[in-house]
Amino acid sequence: AQTVTQSQPEMSVQEAETVTLSCTYDTSESDYYLFWYKQPPSRQMILVIRQEAYKQQNATENRFSVNFQKAAKSFSLKISDSQLGDAAMYFCAYATLPMNRDDKIIFGKGTRLHILP
Amino acid sequence: NAGVMQNPRHLVRRRGQEARLRCSPMKGHSHVYWYRQLPEEGLKFMVYLQKENIIDESGMPKERFSAEFPKEGPSILRIQQVVRGDSAAYFCASSPPAANTGELFFGEGSRLTVL
Repeated sequence: AQTVTQSQPEMSVQEAETVTLSCTYDTSESDYYLFWYKQPPSRQMILVIRQEAYKQQNATENRFSVNFQKAAKSFSLKISDSQLGDAAMYFCAYATLPMNRDDKIIFGKGTRLHILP
Repeated sequence: NAGVMQNPRHLVRRRGQEARLRCSPMKGHSHVYWYRQLPEEGLKFMVYLQKENIIDESGMPKERFSAEFPKEGPSILRIQQVVRGDSAAYFCASSPPAANTGELFFGEGSRLTVL
């Protein structure tokens, strides 16, 4: 069974600094998706960034980028120039590719990120 | 285009009562997922439904919990004879058919408190 592990329950970073959130996963599949979702205090989850495992290039979305190490089954999220609005719970997630009819997305327990002004 | 709509946002029930949580997926989405989030925990998968079909309910407790997604109307997560341990935030997510991108669109959640 696939699992997703986030070993950092909480992290803090100074505003404008860079922070990296860790995620490891376990799977026997070769093709899959990895995601980082953000859950702000308002509680609606939103997708931050997505990585297809068959792509070697790390995904980037503005200030958000990932370090995808397929052999190590590691998928960390880097947030550059941290802003107060980045404060949230961040969830790492995994889904098999292609999404079969009985597939579901597996989430880690989350990392709560605090931004210090 | 409205997002995923969940109601009620907050629900208080006494032990033994029934809780019904509703989820209207985004327009055009026919896949619905329910997740439960306990305090300081991640999201735990409960059930995955398509219109009129339960695809995967491996995360649903065997007793007291049921889910449906009828041809017309919202998806409903029903919890009978609630207990204090059912207190949690319940999130619904939807995705379009054959999207194959893996992205889920989440509602704002329904917070159930059992007294």
